[in-house]
Amino acid sequence: QKEVEQDPGPLSVPEGAIVSLNCTYSNSAFQYFMWYRQYSRKGPELLMYTYSSGNKEDGRFTAQVDKSSKYISLFIRDSQPSDSATYLCAMQGRGSNYKLTFGKGTLLTVNP
Amino acid sequence: NAGVTQTPKFRILKIGQSMTLQCTQDMNHNYMYWYRQDPGMGLKLIYYSVGAGITDKGEVPNGYNVSRSTTEDFPLRLELAAPSQTSVYFCASSILGENYGYTFGSGTRLTVV
Repeated sequence: QKEVEQDPGPLSVPEGAIVSLNCTYSNSAFQYFMWYRQYSRKGPELLMYTYSSGNKEDGRFTAQVDKSSKYISLFIRDSQPSDSATYLCAMQGRGSNYKLTFGKGTLLTVNP
Repeated sequence: NAGVTQTPKFRILKIGQSMTLQCTQDMNHNYMYWYRQDPGMGLKLIYYSVGAGITDKGEVPNGYNVSRSTTEDFPLRLELAAPSQTSVYFCASSILGENYGYTFGSGTRLTVV
């Protein structure tokens, strides 16, 4: 079983749709959970950062962590064509020298 | 403030050639990382450094070497390039602490033929 599993998609939605992106993980040592957005031919950029179980909201984006189920989600409300990108989940264990373990990424296309 | 700068952006190498991928950050970050990204495979850690003079292997270090003589620079050396090293390489940095994530460079796209 891989440490981090992420459905690679691709996922295609109409503008204005609610998007749900998910990752599961197997390593109980993971304490910090992130979502990165990567536009084509660019480096990943940090979108959301969460530590504890629960929800964290930032504008149209909501990150959700369920440590008991080892499951994290990213929700995008009122999706826009500019949200079209690859979304990578990433996880970090305490004392890991801040090394991140990444999911494979989900390619999202928002159609106008 | 330039962040993380990687050079070159593109390179084609012949099998057996060597090269150095350059990475410089101007944020005074302690931690620096090299990842490779293959299509559909996510990001794999090659090497990382927790400070000047200290480096350690990641998940896929074979065929690569690194050095960290200054806080700012973290070059990645490819010796005897092989087709399996065709990939996009990303350098990243992080400040000491667990709440800030990584800042990535824009990547180097390498093809070995």
